[in-house]
Formats: sequence, C-alpha cells, structure tokens
Amino acid sequence: DAGITQSPRHKVTETGTPVTLRCHQTENHRYMYWYRQDPGHGLRLIHYSYGVKDTDKGEVSDGYSVSRSKTEDFLLTLESATSSQTSVYFCAISESPAQETQYFGPGTRLLVL
Amino acid sequence: GDSVTQMEGPVTLSEEAFLTINCTYTATGYPSLFWYVQYPGEGLQLLLKATKADDKGSNKGFEATYRKETTSFHLEKGSVQVSDSAVYFCALSHPGNQFYFGTGTSLTVIP
Repeated sequence: DAGITQSPRHKVTETGTPVTLRCHQTENHRYMYWYRQDPGHGLRLIHYSYGVKDTDKGEVSDGYSVSRSKTEDFLLTLESATSSQTSVYFCAISESPAQETQYFGPGTRLLVL
Repeated sequence: GDSVTQMEGPVTLSEEAFLTINCTYTATGYPSLFWYVQYPGEGLQLLLKATKADDKGSNKGFEATYRKETTSFHLEKGSVQVSDSAVYFCALSHPGNQFYFGTGTSLTVIP
C-alpha cells in the first residue's frame, strides 16, 4: 500500500470555524490531490498540487484553500466551514499527472453543524 | 467536457453470480480508463486500468475492455464472492489533466 495518511480521520465542527485537514505521504510523489466524496456525485476534485508551492483549482474549489510547503504534506483549509462542506475528504497522490494511477488515503469524515 | 456515466446501484447478487457494471464515457481524444474499488471505511484502490483502445485490464478475476467504438469500459466478473462487496468507481483521465470519476455503484454479494 502507498504510504498516505490523513489527519484527523473524523472531525465535528461548527459553522463558521476554520478547519485544516492534513495529508502526509512517504512516497515522494510529485502530485497530490484533494477530493470530496458525496452521495450521487462520486469524487470531485477540490485542488491539486504539482510541486512544492505549486497548486491549482479543481472542479469544486470555492470555500477551500490549500498549501504545500513540503513534498510530503498537502493541507486543505476550509476558511469558514459551512454545512454544505460536510463530506468525506480524500487525499490522493501520483507520480505524474493523469493517465497514471492515483493512490488514495483512508479519508477524513467531516461533519459541519 | 469529459464525463463518466456508470450504472445506478445498488446491485445485489448471490455468491457465484455473474457481474456486469456498465460504464460509458464522453471524452475527446484517447483517455485512459480505470476501475477503482472502495471497501467500507477505506479509500479507493485501483482495481484495473486500460490506456488505449481494445486493451483489456484485469485483476482479481475482474476484467474490463476499452471499447472506443461504443465509448464503454464495462466491468465484469464471472463468479462474485462475498468479499467483492464494495463500491466500484469508473474513471477516466487525459494527459496532463484531472481524473473524472463516475458516481459509484454499490455491490452487495449475499451468501
């Protein structure tokens, strides 16, 4: 299994509070991704990174920001959490962009009250 | 834009039954196609992939053939087991571009 961990694994927070999710990899892969998984929508890309300090937006980036200061860590921040951001968040990594297998972390279940 | 459509679930089968999960795609050019599997409480794992037309991906008894003429990548298994119970996702990607996932199909296999 690819070495990907996510923290926390579960979080309950209140509307309006900032939340940061962490993805950590030990594979030294260049590309990292944040997805959210919701019933009826499958997985949707939030943001991705193609190197340290290099990030770009995905399909559903509004209300989210990311940072990558080290190869191994990719942080996802909900600047002011809303109930619509209740979801399961997955981090993924790959050696090269697209057409290459993405390896997924175990997920973080976030509930915004 | 690119998209993936897979059959609605949930699907319930008896052990040793034949499985087909349909997946069709819309894309320009020649994307790569993937099937991922998600077991309860876990992240997605690659099940199989195909990178060009007429390629067949296979793994753990599952197979899927990249059919450009019908823009399809249907997942099949000849004899399912209880341990195959999971959610299955079809996905596509283009060079230098993001993955597009289907909505997932839940499979339950009963003894």
